Amino acid sequence: KNEVEQSPQNLTAQEGEFITINCSYSVGISALHWLQQHPGGGIVSLFMLSSGKKKHGRLIATINIQEKHSSLHITASHPRDSAVYICAVGGGATNKLIFGTGTLLAVQP
Amino acid sequence: DAGVIQSPRHEVTEMGQEVTLRCKLISGHNSLFWYRQTMMRGLELLIYFNNNVPIDDSGMPEDRFSAKMPNASFSTLKIQPSEPRDSAVYFCASSLGPHQPQHFGDGTRLSIL
Repeated sequence: KNEVEQSPQNLTAQEGEFITINCSYSVGISALHWLQQHPGGGIVSLFMLSSGKKKHGRLIATINIQEKHSSLHITASHPRDSAVYICAVGGGATNKLIFGTGTLLAVQP
Repeated sequence: DAGVIQSPRHEVTEMGQEVTLRCKLISGHNSLFWYRQTMMRGLELLIYFNNNVPIDDSGMPEDRFSAKMPNASFSTLKIQPSEPRDSAVYFCASSLGPHQPQHFGDGTRLSIL
């Protein structure tokens, strides 16, 4: 079993829909990261959180430390949100990141 | 701020050749991470530096791989000799510290024939 599991692996949505991507992990962590990778390949850090909830524009990330679970929500989805969303957890003295396999999101107009 | 700069963007070479990937950190950042991304294994940490010192190299596949930070703003990842199974996208990322958000370069797409 992977230390970081994401679901779903693939997600297709219609423009305007509310989207949720889930991440569960089995190791102790100091922080959880949500990353976005566009088809061109570049990776952008969306959120880094260790408790509660963070919001940036239409993106919301939540984490439940007790349940070892995080969700990434996208409100009013748009085709430009189409990308791979990757969950990663960091822990220990070096904050070494362990990555999930990613969720491929396609938002159709 | 120019962000993390990686070069080259693409590299195609024959097996057995030496490959050198380069990374310029964001000014002021003191943590540097090298990652490899493949279809089979996803993103994996290869090595992590803090203040120019290698802290965790447990992800370096084997002795053919080496990484250095000759100064606080620059790093190289070298593969010698290269093999077809080294084909992947290699990302460099930097951060203000080990527990800060990481900023990724655009990656180097490496193909070993």
